[in-house]
Amino acid sequence: QSALTQPPSVSGSPGQSVTISCTGSSSDVGSYTRVSWYQQPPGTAPKLIISEVSNRPSGVPDRFSGSKSANTASLTISGLQAEDEADYYCLSYSSINTYVFGTGTKVTVL
Amino acid sequence: EVLLLESGGGLVQPGGSLRLSCSGSGSSFSNYGMNWVRQAPGKGLDWVSVISIRGDIIYYADSVRGRFTISRDNSKNTVYLQMNNLRVEDTAIYYCARLSGNYFFDYWGQGTPVTVSS
Repeated sequence: QSALTQPPSVSGSPGQSVTISCTGSSSDVGSYTRVSWYQQPPGTAPKLIISEVSNRPSGVPDRFSGSKSANTASLTISGLQAEDEADYYCLSYSSINTYVFGTGTKVTVL
Repeated sequence: EVLLLESGGGLVQPGGSLRLSCSGSGSSFSNYGMNWVRQAPGKGLDWVSVISIRGDIIYYADSVRGRFTISRDNSKNTVYLQMNNLRVEDTAIYYCARLSGNYFFDYWGQGTPVTVSS
């Protein structure tokens, strides 16, 4: 099972919006609403920020939003803040009863 | 609040074995599937294995199938990862993560480091 494809890095100034893509196939991202997103600041464990494509768990700021079109899911951070600087990973359930992560994207706040 | 605490990591030679443990807080531990996820130094997240609530449904990533075994003891609120025939490329921080809704991981432990080296 190959990792889902994410851009290695994205950057933006405080207050701007950035979008991270997560591209898979019809066997994973394209087949289900079972894509989630995780934030991992340096030296810490990952944290769930989006479940089932676009659901935001309690306590996650509403500047984080998710969407999906065909085989590509996206995470948008609106109104970028310094504390959003971290690595971000998508995760999808796969038709072969496994889970697959994206390659990861480093978000830099300029 | 749900807390997950991994233990059992360490330094092992290639071909050796280790058993990782993940202890969970709260009475709801036995109501959720559990996963192991690893992260090699400077690399991304890599899903390893999942076990169902009763331990009767188990899946593995191709890279560990036949070498790693996941199990759980709900009376002890603990999930295990037995790792045999370890390889240098298994070096990573190993996280346990709770499976919610069958499709996302809502709580994570802080990780335990495993180093495979001669």
